[in-house]
Amino acid sequence: AQSVTQLGSHVSVSEGALVLLRCNYSSSVPPYLFWYVQYPNQGLQLLLKYTSAATLVKGINGFEAEFKKSETSFHLTKPSAHMSDAAEYFCAVTLGVIAGANSKLTFGKGITLSVRP
Amino acid sequence: NAGVTQTPKFRILKIGQSMTLQCAQDMNHNYMYWYRQDPGMGLKLIYYSVGAGITDKGEVPNGYNVSRSTTEDFPLRLELAAPSQTSVYFCASTPGVGGYTFGSGTRLTVV
Repeated sequence: AQSVTQLGSHVSVSEGALVLLRCNYSSSVPPYLFWYVQYPNQGLQLLLKYTSAATLVKGINGFEAEFKKSETSFHLTKPSAHMSDAAEYFCAVTLGVIAGANSKLTFGKGITLSVRP
Repeated sequence: NAGVTQTPKFRILKIGQSMTLQCAQDMNHNYMYWYRQDPGMGLKLIYYSVGAGITDKGEVPNGYNVSRSTTEDFPLRLELAAPSQTSVYFCASTPGVGGYTFGSGTRLTVV
């Protein structure tokens, strides 16, 4: 079984400051990892994904994440926050080895990012 | 536009009523999923399907049923609605291991 832990429910940063959203995973086999963003009253949109290639993954809107197996982490970062980054962010994990039933994603509880002017 | 279409967007049900949440995708994806989202709880998997005619339970299947007669459609049925089913429901699809495409959600209130 796999699981994801997102510590804290809310992060607040100033515009232009570094964004760091933490995600730790647990998986019995090498995982695939994802970050999704959800803007108010919308569905989830894929930001980036790790599927066992490069450990540093770049996504949309200037976000990136680094897969660290030794720390079982996949933290999301952005060098400079914009007001438009205010949203809820979800980390998710799936077993990457076998498709089919193992394609289902397990989500963290989400982190709300606020950006102060 | 290609993607996942969910209907209705909003619905209010009375306790004991039933309804079907519709989900359709036009990307020929084999894998489809139903999640519910509750504040502070993330997304919980209700049911999923790995292809037409094949469905399986997720983490929170009680009170729900699904069917998958075609690749495109994956409706979610609520029988005897209860207040605990008040939630936002998301349908998603994927061609395999990789990122999901989500619908825009159905906000359901049971009163």
